[in-house]
Amino acid sequence: GAGVSQSPSNKVTEKGKDVELRCDPISGHTALYWYRQRLGQGLEFLIYFQGNSAPDKSGLPSDRFSAERTGESVSTLTIQRTQQEDSAVYLCASSPIAGGETQYFGPGTRLLVL
Amino acid sequence: KQEVTQIPAALSVPEGENLVLNCSFTDSAIYNLQWFRQDPGKGLTSLLLIQSSQREQTSGRLNASLDKSSGRSTLYIAASQPGDSATYLCAVIGGANNLFFGTGTRLTVIP
Repeated sequence: GAGVSQSPSNKVTEKGKDVELRCDPISGHTALYWYRQRLGQGLEFLIYFQGNSAPDKSGLPSDRFSAERTGESVSTLTIQRTQQEDSAVYLCASSPIAGGETQYFGPGTRLLVL
Repeated sequence: KQEVTQIPAALSVPEGENLVLNCSFTDSAIYNLQWFRQDPGKGLTSLLLIQSSQREQTSGRLNASLDKSSGRSTLYIAASQPGDSATYLCAVIGGANNLFFGTGTRLTVIP
């Protein structure tokens, strides 16, 4: 497993349900990012983790969104009480260090809220 | 807030042509700039990363330039091929933890 992996690849849920998206970064990468891409729009930054520092949550669109990361390993993005506007592709990326290093993206999770 | 614009939104060229994709950004205080490729149904593929102190980067048929003072970057693709068809995204890194993306240029190379 050399790359970033994400699961599930697709998720269909009903409005009001909670969903949990998972990201497994490349081993040894200290920085992890979550992004969202809605249909026809550019990529939006959501949240950033760097080592054991407090995460940068400035991109989270509402308090229904939260994310966790255990050390420098897997991260989960949780969306509570999903809304139709949450439908998007959710992308995770990792990089060896913060800032100047290239980010390596996973294949994304396509979320559809009915 | 940093704003990133890509022109054109879509481009269609015959195979073999050289082409240029444009990216502009409003805040020149950037850390670096990155070009990505996005294929339908797949994740992003990083193409070139230009540090703020650099003027250009080259990889194969791709050449990316950066002019921080004017807030511009270009991606030059030489001798285009049908396999180059994809959406190309420009991303500006404004600090240690944020990428600001443009909406992309959808490229179609006609055989």
